[in-house]
Amino acid sequence: DAKTTQPNSMESNEEEPVHLPCNHSTISGTDYIHWYRQLPSQGPEYVIHGLTSNVNNRMASLAIAEDRKSSTLILHRATLRDAAVYYCILNLLYNNNDMRFGAGTRLTVKP
Amino acid sequence: DTGVSQDPRHKITKRGQNVTFRCDPISEHNRLYWYRQTLGQGPEFLTYFQNEAQLEKSRLLSDRFSAERPKGSFSTLEIQRTEQGDSAMYLCASSSGLAGVEQFFGPGTRLTVL
Repeated sequence: DAKTTQPNSMESNEEEPVHLPCNHSTISGTDYIHWYRQLPSQGPEYVIHGLTSNVNNRMASLAIAEDRKSSTLILHRATLRDAAVYYCILNLLYNNNDMRFGAGTRLTVKP
Repeated sequence: DTGVSQDPRHKITKRGQNVTFRCDPISEHNRLYWYRQTLGQGPEFLTYFQNEAQLEKSRLLSDRFSAERPKGSFSTLEIQRTEQGDSAMYLCASSSGLAGVEQFFGPGTRLTVL
C-alpha cells in the first residue's frame, strides 16, 4: 500500500525556514511525490511535486532523498498564511493517479 | 474564476433521503476525481473519470454511492438513502492528462445528515 508517514504537528516562527519531513519507504519507481496544503474549510491546495530530482517553485522547495524513500518540503520563510495542514502523498501513476492522503502535518506559525 | 467549482457548498438532509452534488472542473481538464473527507482526516479517494469514462469506482464506499460524468464535463455524485455516517466534506478535483500532474481541488460540499 502506498503510504506516507508525517509528524502530526510542527511549529515554526514567522519568517524562519520550515522543513516538513515525509517518509515513503514503499514508493515505487513511477510514483510521483506530491505535497498539498489545506486551510480550514477549504479544499486542498497544490504546493509542489517531483519524481526524482529536487524541485523549486514560487511557493516552496522539495528535496527528495537519493533512494526516494523520504522527502522534505521546505518553506523558505514561513508566514502566518502558511499555517495549514500539509499532506505528503504518493501519486500512483499507473493506478489512475490514485492519491492516498494521510492525516498530514499541522503547521503552526508563531508571530 | 476558472477554478473547480462545487454546488451546493452545504447540504443538510435527513437520514434516508437522497442527495446529489455537482462538480464543474477546470474546462480543459479531462480527468475528474471525487474524494470524501471526515473531520481530522485527509481526503479519501472515491472515484475517478477520464473524460466520460469512470475508470475507477471500486473505492466508492458502498452501492449507495454513484457518480456520473455524462458528457465529459461536469460530474455528479449521488448518495442514496443517506446515513448519519455519510456526514463529511465531499471534494472534487480535476487535472490534465499529463503524467503525475497536480490535481486542482474545489471548495467542497459539506454534507450533514440528521
